[in-house]
Amino acid sequence: GAGVSQSPSNKVTEKGKDVELRCDPISGHTALYWYRQSLGQGLEFLIYFQGNSAPDKSGLPSDRFSAERTGGSVSTLTIQRTQQEDSAVYLCASSFPGQDIPHFGNGTRLTVT
Amino acid sequence: SQQGEEDPQALSIQEGENATMNCSYKTSINNLQWYRQNSGRGLVHLILIRSNEREKHSGRLRVTLDTSKKSSSLLITASRAADTASYFCATVYNFNKFYFGSGTKLNVKP
Repeated sequence: GAGVSQSPSNKVTEKGKDVELRCDPISGHTALYWYRQSLGQGLEFLIYFQGNSAPDKSGLPSDRFSAERTGGSVSTLTIQRTQQEDSAVYLCASSFPGQDIPHFGNGTRLTVT
Repeated sequence: SQQGEEDPQALSIQEGENATMNCSYKTSINNLQWYRQNSGRGLVHLILIRSNEREKHSGRLRVTLDTSKKSSSLLITASRAADTASYFCATVYNFNKFYFGSGTKLNVKP
């Protein structure tokens, strides 16, 4: 079946512009995660959605970052007024409730020039 | 920090040799997982070991967990060039918080 789908796969934007990154989780997966991975680094937790519960936003690095999850399915990560340090691969993952293993998408590589 | 930390940061071995990577963490976990990443993109889940388990096997992979030392190791036996990738451990808290370390870059030379 289809895995986690992220779009776009690559995004180049100018400093100061806003960007939206999209994640389509696996159907039926109610848990959804966003991570950021800077070059050569590990994954930095950003935000976690679980069903209708309030999202865990504890990993968002600044108020320029926000995320939504509409209808318990598709999620959008928005970065406002992008900065060069926002350049990274943004990874989305989803899982079934109570399942310990998240399935990852291939990520969006964001480059801020 | 709740992140796991992998050691070594980089490892280069010959095909056929075994590769061992270690992960240390600081607080109690529900489980610990190992992932593989090729070319800096999506992660592939390799193996999960629960906090009440000490060792698990999957094919050429062997994972151990020592909760008293708060450490885990991943052993890849009879390595192949195709095993070249970055390997990450993820420590899991409250069954929904996954924290990843910086990874070990494994290079298997043919």
